[in-house]
Amino acid sequence: AAGVIQSPRHLIKEKRETATLKCYPIPRHDTVYWYQQGPGQDPQFLISFYEKMQSDKGSIPDRFSAQQFSDYHSELNMSSLELGDSALYFCASGSSYNSPLHFGNGTRLTVT
Amino acid sequence: AQKVTQAQTEISVVEKEDVTLDCVYETRDTTYYLFWYKQPPSGELVFLIRRNSFDEQNEISGRYSWNFQKSTSSFNFTITASQVVDSAVYFCALSEADGGATNKLIFGTGTLLAVQP
Repeated sequence: AAGVIQSPRHLIKEKRETATLKCYPIPRHDTVYWYQQGPGQDPQFLISFYEKMQSDKGSIPDRFSAQQFSDYHSELNMSSLELGDSALYFCASGSSYNSPLHFGNGTRLTVT
Repeated sequence: AQKVTQAQTEISVVEKEDVTLDCVYETRDTTYYLFWYKQPPSGELVFLIRRNSFDEQNEISGRYSWNFQKSTSSFNFTITASQVVDSAVYFCALSEADGGATNKLIFGTGTLLAVQP
């Protein structure tokens, strides 16, 4: 069965650089969620989209932005990267019928 | 406000032992969903179970079982005859239903389960 695809799997950036993470949800899923998981932490909700519109916002820094495109894939853009942005970033997708969220394998971002 | 508490930070057992992971939640909503996810050392988050607030029936899936008790706001997870491959961090999570769309998950802090051979 198709799963949530995230790219890249690993990303190394320097401070003050920009990073773009991509997420391809499961076909026919209309919601996308982004989570950030720091080392030894639980995943923290960043932002979500439903039918290409932002539906909810969590603790996402102003330096980050995200959007969902017409083909339902989503991108998380992160600018002016800081050391503290080093984390595992998960994308999850679901349908609007209260299905469970299915997570991608995550993108591990390291900021040096 | 929503909150999920997993009081057990780490648990270590020997293979074939049974182990129960505790989860206590707080919510003001009458309609909500509870989840368990597994995060093995490789890092991915694997969905295990979802339970809605109106279904208190316990569930068993192979060696896994879940006990949902609204009276104590608990959703505990038991692994019977644990195996080394069960070693992972297990997260309990809560979401509030908003009438149709999925909603964000609030995670507990996770329980690291180490199964020794």
